[in-house]
Parts: sequence; C-alpha cells; structure tokens
Amino acid sequence: NAGVTQTPKFQVLKTGQSMTLQCAQDMNHEYMSWYRQDPGMGLRLIHYSVGAGITDQGEVPNGYNVSRSTTEDFPLRLLSAAPSQTSVYFCASSSAGESGANVLTFGAGSRLTVL
Amino acid sequence: GNSVTQMEGPVTLSEEAFLTINCTYTATGYPSLFWYVQYPGEGLQLLLKATKADDKGSNKGFEATYRKETTSFHLEKGSVQVSDSAVYFCALRGFQGAQKLVFGQGTRLTINP
Repeated sequence: NAGVTQTPKFQVLKTGQSMTLQCAQDMNHEYMSWYRQDPGMGLRLIHYSVGAGITDQGEVPNGYNVSRSTTEDFPLRLLSAAPSQTSVYFCASSSAGESGANVLTFGAGSRLTVL
Repeated sequence: GNSVTQMEGPVTLSEEAFLTINCTYTATGYPSLFWYVQYPGEGLQLLLKATKADDKGSNKGFEATYRKETTSFHLEKGSVQVSDSAVYFCALRGFQGAQKLVFGQGTRLTINP
C-alpha cells in the first residue's frame, strides 16, 4: 500500500519558470490538500479538495493552482515561480468518514528551490 | 482565527530523560488537538490526538491531555530514546473541516545517547 506519493522529491527552478508537483493517493480518500513547510512557521495550507471536481483555497494560495479531476490525483501548479516559493511541499489526504476525518496521511515531501 | 503556539526549540536531552514540549492554542469552540511527528527525511505522521476536553491521547509512550481551562495540549514522555529524535508539531482542527489543520511552528528534539 503506497499511501500518498509525491513527485519529484527535489526540484530546482529559475524565477519565472512553471512546474507541477504531483500527488497521488491509493486509499480512496475524499480529502486531499497541499501544505508548505518553512523554517519557524510550521505547515501552512495552500489549497485543499473535498472531492473530485471541488477545490478551495487555504491560508497561502497565491501563486499556486490546483485541480482535482480524479479521486486519486491532486497536482499543485506553480505558474511563475518566485524565490519566496522556495519551500518543502507536503501533500496530505484523509477519509471523510467519522473515524478518519481527523487524521491526515502525508506524503514524503517535495523540496523546491527557486533561484 | 485559530492558532497554535509551541515552545521554541531546538530541545536536546540525554537518553532516558523526561520530555515536555509545551503547546497552547487559541480557537473558538471545541477544537480537536493533535501531535504529529516528522522523522528525518519523511513526511509527518500522527502521533496522538484528543477530540474533547480532558481527553488524554497516548502512543509510543507519549501522552498529552486536552486542557480547556488552560488551552493547552503539552506533549510528555517519561523516558526518551535516541529514536525519538524528530520534529514534533502540535496542531488543531476547528469547525472548518478535516483539511484545515492549523499547525504550530514545530519543535526539533534531539536525544543524545
């Protein structure tokens, strides 16, 4: 059981370039989300989705786009990378059921550096 | 809005020492509270949780009690091991739903043999 899979693990971009961070889960979870982790700031929610075709903004959505065309996949797109987007990005998922809704399963992270 | 404040790290202890990592929160109503742990090179994983006042979450020798009167959820362990070295995050979930977890800044713990 793979859980939550993120690719790539590492990426270096130049300012202005675009890229997509991939996230896939095989647990049939309804909820998926993207967080960024910065030193001294914990994790901050970028975007989230409560099901296929439904997405919403989190705390720090500017500069990022998402879509949810399938239950399994939730890619995060950087349209024009900026140095402020240098961070570690985590994808997470959870079940909508009563016992699962509180618990997030995280991917291993994607470290992005924007020069 | 909701917020979580953790004690600043890093924290360095010797093996078998007693551990406390402080966590306080600000939230309306009755949030659910969590501790997540991040081992080197890995994503976060749930360590323990409590969903109502006076609940005690426990796992792997770690404990935390949901104290509404002091708005706290301090993490404790009686005897730490080298393998406990990691970053620990306190988090809360308010009324907005499962995905809107609010995290503290994290506390890096190093245990020396």
